[in-house]
Amino acid sequence: EIVLTQSPATLSLSPGERATLSCRASQSVSSYISWYQQKPGQAPRLLIYDAFNRATGVPARFSGSGSGTDFTLTISSLEPEDFVVYYCQQRTNWPLTFGGGTKVEIK
Amino acid sequence: VQLLESGGGLVQPGGSLRLSCEASGFTFTRCGMTWVRQAPGKGLEWVSSISDSGYVTYYADSVKGRFSASRDNSKNTLYLQMNSLRAEDTAVYYCAKDQWMEQLKAPFDYWGQGTLVTVSS
Repeated sequence: EIVLTQSPATLSLSPGERATLSCRASQSVSSYISWYQQKPGQAPRLLIYDAFNRATGVPARFSGSGSGTDFTLTISSLEPEDFVVYYCQQRTNWPLTFGGGTKVEIK
Repeated sequence: VQLLESGGGLVQPGGSLRLSCEASGFTFTRCGMTWVRQAPGKGLEWVSSISDSGYVTYYADSVKGRFSASRDNSKNTLYLQMNSLRAEDTAVYYCAKDQWMEQLKAPFDYWGQGTLVTVSS
């Protein structure tokens, strides 16, 4: 099973700041990493797929990068609605796995 | 695209429950589908994926042999039959649509609102 480790668990930033979220895989997943955003009480929403492709309707302030085992989700300038939880997920091997999540909170 | 789950509720340990996910707004018959769950206050856990035809299924080890995914393409509906339920199966269960047609292991581009399953005596 491919284990995804997200860091940090909590990121404390202010609106307008840049957020950098990390996802590290226990073995290479090529570029098959997706990022999801989850707001309280809501279902997750696909933000980024295959490492750097923005999903439909996702604002340009969200970007993804990386390959192999190390991936990054960057939010260039945090908006108030961005202070929620983010998960990475790999689709290289079964079982599909998610990281433990990073919560972005207001500092 | 709409995904509407139903069938959740309170069940005793060892009991059974069948979840449904009614899909609309896309070509259901050509898309793989997935179940993902989230225990209260915890992260996301992939549970099962099923191919567009329903002939191919995959399961997490934690549910293998107890849960069974199926679909009725004539009704645009996905199912998750859950047997021998345990306290640790307590979670919100989401159905999700695979992003690309006729391909499993795709990203999940649409999700339902979830249905809560509580396993407790």
